[in-house]
Amino acid sequence: DQQVKQNSPSLSVQEGRISILNCDYTNSMFDYFLWYKKYPAEGPTFLISISSIKDKNEDGRFTVFLNKSAKHLSLHIVPSQPGDSAVYFCAATYTSGTYKYIFGTGTRLKVLA
Amino acid sequence: DTAVSQTPKYLVTQMGNDKSIKCEQNLGHDTMYWYKQDSKKFLKIMFSYNNKELIINETVPNRFSPKSPDKAHLNLHINSLELGDSAVYFCASSQGRKRGLVQETQYFGPGTRLLVL
Repeated sequence: DQQVKQNSPSLSVQEGRISILNCDYTNSMFDYFLWYKKYPAEGPTFLISISSIKDKNEDGRFTVFLNKSAKHLSLHIVPSQPGDSAVYFCAATYTSGTYKYIFGTGTRLKVLA
Repeated sequence: DTAVSQTPKYLVTQMGNDKSIKCEQNLGHDTMYWYKQDSKKFLKIMFSYNNKELIINETVPNRFSPKSPDKAHLNLHINSLELGDSAVYFCASSQGRKRGLVQETQYFGPGTRLLVL
């Protein structure tokens, strides 16, 4: 029962264009979301996050959008650069008696020069 | 000056053996985690310790036992290794303000690639 899903296992984008990575979740108790980036043979590194009280958070080239009614979030990278090529994981969290921190299945982004 | 380090980086062993993976963080964080990334690339949390106290204990076989001698270290001991234990194991840490714990950025180690033959 995967509560956080990234339905696109891979995505290819031309350098300079926009990359849009999507993430869907099923549990309405999630109240904080994060995106991590992972290069081969390395651990994930934090990219950007958003609280459920917001619908958008921006940090440089990276913007995360949250649509709570659709239980959907997306990460936009503009403009995409070859160095952005990596696997991107979304994570969803909540605290309700117990802590939950659940990662999505990952999307491999390839930015073509 | 690696923030979160794990040893060993690679571990190849026979079924039935007992092995340990060590994790250390020099970030001064209070909370540490162990994750397993399986062959399908799912990244699943196994355990979390906050100031040496177990706070997350997902459903994992009791052959897996975390040990936290101090808040900078969280080791993972695995008894009677099985083929299905083959995976990449990631250690992570976060600052650990208990109230906002799950909203914290986690800092990951490079992973330990375990292969059970």
